[in-house]
Amino acid sequence: EPEVTQTPSHQVTQMGQEVILRCVPISNHLYFYWYRQILGQKVEFLVSFYNNEISEKSEIFDDQFSVERPDGSNFTLKIRSTKLEDSAMYFCASSELAGGPGEQFFGPGTRLTVL
Amino acid sequence: AQSVTQLDSHVSVSEGTPVLLRCNYSSSYSPSLFWYVQHPNKGLQLLLKYTSAATLVKGINGFEAEFKKSETSFHLTKPSAHMSDAAEYFCVVIPLDSGTYKYIFGTGTRLKVLA
Repeated sequence: EPEVTQTPSHQVTQMGQEVILRCVPISNHLYFYWYRQILGQKVEFLVSFYNNEISEKSEIFDDQFSVERPDGSNFTLKIRSTKLEDSAMYFCASSELAGGPGEQFFGPGTRLTVL
Repeated sequence: AQSVTQLDSHVSVSEGTPVLLRCNYSSSYSPSLFWYVQHPNKGLQLLLKYTSAATLVKGINGFEAEFKKSETSFHLTKPSAHMSDAAEYFCVVIPLDSGTYKYIFGTGTRLKVLA
């Protein structure tokens, strides 16, 4: 069964460093998403991506964040200069339907720890 | 504003007894509603979804949920809990016709199953 994969499973970085979180969505899916879950808090939407551009982003997704689909299979989230409060579990998701509320399939997450 | 309220942060049941996890939503639009489960160190797995067809929705592993518009509720139930049901459960809403397909998560309910 196809699944969304994410690497690494755990990333530790120093404050101010850049990190790139990687995701491989399900191959025939068209919509891609990043969410995050700070420890003890709810899962929050960060950004959605369709047709090689951002379709929606939350207020959390500021200039420090960027997303890219560099090669038609990977979908990456970059944080330019990490802060302590960026420590969270980051989930990638993808969905098949374009322009519709299709089921989103989630990866296992990357736990980011900023020291 | 669209939101989801999960009324219980923790629920404990004995193995073999019924499970009820409560979810209320607020949406200006007709919603799509989902329940996801997250086992420790695993990604989010879809249990079931409501997308304006039958109001009683059956999902995997014996779970079901009933959409009640008059009560703005979408409670998750299972007749008989199994030890493997111990996990965190998230109620999710997508407000249809709002032009957005991002998931709005509830705060989650941690289900504990006692032997």
